[in-house]
Amino acid sequence: KAGVTQTPRYLIKTRGQQVTLSCSPISGHRSVSWYQQTPGQGLQFLFEYFSETQRNKGNFPGRFSGRQFSNSRSEMNVSTLELGDSALYLCASSLFRLGPYNEQFFGPGTRLTVL
Amino acid sequence: AQTVTQSQPEMSVQEAETVTLSCTYDTSESDYYLFWYKQPPSRQMILVIRQEAYKQQNATENRFSVNFQKAAKSFSLKISDSQLGDAAMYFCVTNTGNQFYFGTGTSLTVIP
Repeated sequence: KAGVTQTPRYLIKTRGQQVTLSCSPISGHRSVSWYQQTPGQGLQFLFEYFSETQRNKGNFPGRFSGRQFSNSRSEMNVSTLELGDSALYLCASSLFRLGPYNEQFFGPGTRLTVL
Repeated sequence: AQTVTQSQPEMSVQEAETVTLSCTYDTSESDYYLFWYKQPPSRQMILVIRQEAYKQQNATENRFSVNFQKAAKSFSLKISDSQLGDAAMYFCVTNTGNQFYFGTGTSLTVIP
């Protein structure tokens, strides 16, 4: 079974631009979560999508948004990019909604650099 | 919010030796899972081992085992017979409610 895939793997943008990242979960997985990983803050939860609905959201500004399609693929959008948005963005999928019993499977990440 | 603390930012171990990575966490939940994830330089996060909080028996997965002390909220990872491929960043993770909470990670170096 193919793993979680993320595109693109690397991205360079300038301040003020917007960016869209894509994540394809493992076949059959219905939950997709997004994380931001930076050296200073570590891994921080952005949001979770399940059945095309945002189910849970971390403490990030409204510039960070996402959506999920009927095939469970998810996109994350960041508008009005800031230098501090430079990070590795990880996507993770799981069979069911995030909960105490669910395991997440991570993608390789998208490295976003904001200049 | 839950917190996960990994007090060892970096650790090193000789090949074939044993190393223990520490983790403490804070939660008010009674039902949760604990995980150790490994992130090699290629950046793909991989599950190493998981522990159900309601189980007293410590989880074991080949060379990897945990020491789970629920009352102390401690969850350490022991790697036996360390191999070069074990070199990575290791994250302690709790899954409570509907979120995963990550520690800051321990970077493990394996010395040949």
